[in-house]
Amino acid sequence: QVQVEESGPGLVKPSETLSLTCNVFGYSMASGFYGAWIRQPLGKGLEWIASVFHDGSAYYNSSLKSRLYISVDYSKRRFTLDLRSVTAADTAMFYCARQYCHRTGCYFDHWGRGILVSVSS
Amino acid sequence: SYVLTQPPSASVAPGQTAKITCEGRAFGLDTVHWYQQKPGQAPVLVIYDDDDRPSGIPERFSGSSSGNTATLTISRVEAGDEADYFCQVWDGDSDHLNVFGTGTRVTVL
Repeated sequence: QVQVEESGPGLVKPSETLSLTCNVFGYSMASGFYGAWIRQPLGKGLEWIASVFHDGSAYYNSSLKSRLYISVDYSKRRFTLDLRSVTAADTAMFYCARQYCHRTGCYFDHWGRGILVSVSS
Repeated sequence: SYVLTQPPSASVAPGQTAKITCEGRAFGLDTVHWYQQKPGQAPVLVIYDDDDRPSGIPERFSGSSSGNTATLTISRVEAGDEADYFCQVWDGDSDHLNVFGTGTRVTVL
């Protein structure tokens, strides 16, 4: 059974870089794996941030692309997200998820519990 | 950019049927997926590829898609179905962009 779990700081200062890690359990990432990050400001909707394939191919939300970097280390069974120059507007619950893709689309079939990140001095 | 519009709320009595719509541009071959999110919990996939159910999801949940509207139907609604529901599409024409709908809060009366 695939499981993913987020880790990282719960508090980041404005203008700093937020780094989050998603650990993957119960699945061989080398077999073909898309990992994704999605965030949700409290009381609001879901926003896809970025996705990465096991070969390192990365895809970003165009509205955040200039501040993002996503990478994968399948030997350590994890993928990471860096979000630079954070502001209070980046305060949200961040989820990592496995993204399953095929010819007609992609969806998120396994989600982590989420990690609440606050941006504050 | 791709926008998926859902009604903000829906109310339904126990035992009745809830229908939640998701409107975007014509979906064509793009499939629509649905997630259920209960308060304080992570989203859970309830429908994928327009009308397929993951294992463990009750048959009461079904989906359909036609033209520019996808619909999630919850039959014989139970109190435990009270949650936020989000649709999602992968926009293959736009740099592999994943788009979520605006979300619908379902209240069981």
